[in-house]
Amino acid sequence: QKEVEQDPGPLSVPEGAIVSLNCTYSNSAFQYFMWYRQYSRKGPELLMYTYSSGNKEDGRFTAQVDKSSKYISLFIRDSQPSDSATYLCAMSANSGYSTLTFGKGTMLLVSP
Amino acid sequence: EAGVTQFPSHSVIEKGQTVTLRCDPISGHDNLYWYRRVMGKEIKFLLHFVKESKQDESGMPNNRFLAERTGGTYSTLKVQPAELEDSGVYFCASSQWTGPGYEQYFGPGTRLTVT
Repeated sequence: QKEVEQDPGPLSVPEGAIVSLNCTYSNSAFQYFMWYRQYSRKGPELLMYTYSSGNKEDGRFTAQVDKSSKYISLFIRDSQPSDSATYLCAMSANSGYSTLTFGKGTMLLVSP
Repeated sequence: EAGVTQFPSHSVIEKGQTVTLRCDPISGHDNLYWYRRVMGKEIKFLLHFVKESKQDESGMPNNRFLAERTGGTYSTLKVQPAELEDSGVYFCASSQWTGPGYEQYFGPGTRLTVT
């Protein structure tokens, strides 16, 4: 079983739709959960960060973590064509020096 | 402020040749990471430097890979001799130890193709 499972998509939605992206994981030691966005031919950039369980909102983006189910989600409201990218979930057991364990990434396509 | 830079952006070499990838982290970032993404797979950790010291190299696939970070600034990753399975995108990231909420800043990656 992979440590982090993420559906690669692609996920195609019309502009304005609510997008739900998610990952499941198996390592109960993970405490820090991140969502990275990666545009084509670019490096991943941090979008959202959550520690332990709970929700975090930043503009149109909401990250949710359910540690009891080992399930994390990213919601995008009012999706825009500029949101078209690959979204990678990543997690680590400790902050600072800890390495990241990534999901495969979900490709999102938002059509005008 | 400049972000993480990587050179070259793309390298095509033949099996058995040597390639050296370079990463320049964000100035002042003590932590430098190398990751690799093989086609169809997830991004995987290779190793982590704290300044010039290797903190964790558990992800290095074999002894054909050699990473250095002389002086705690830029880092190089040498593959010698390259094999077909080494093809992929090599990412470098850097971070400054800040406790919870730290962020790893990624470079654009070097796409390595071994033919």
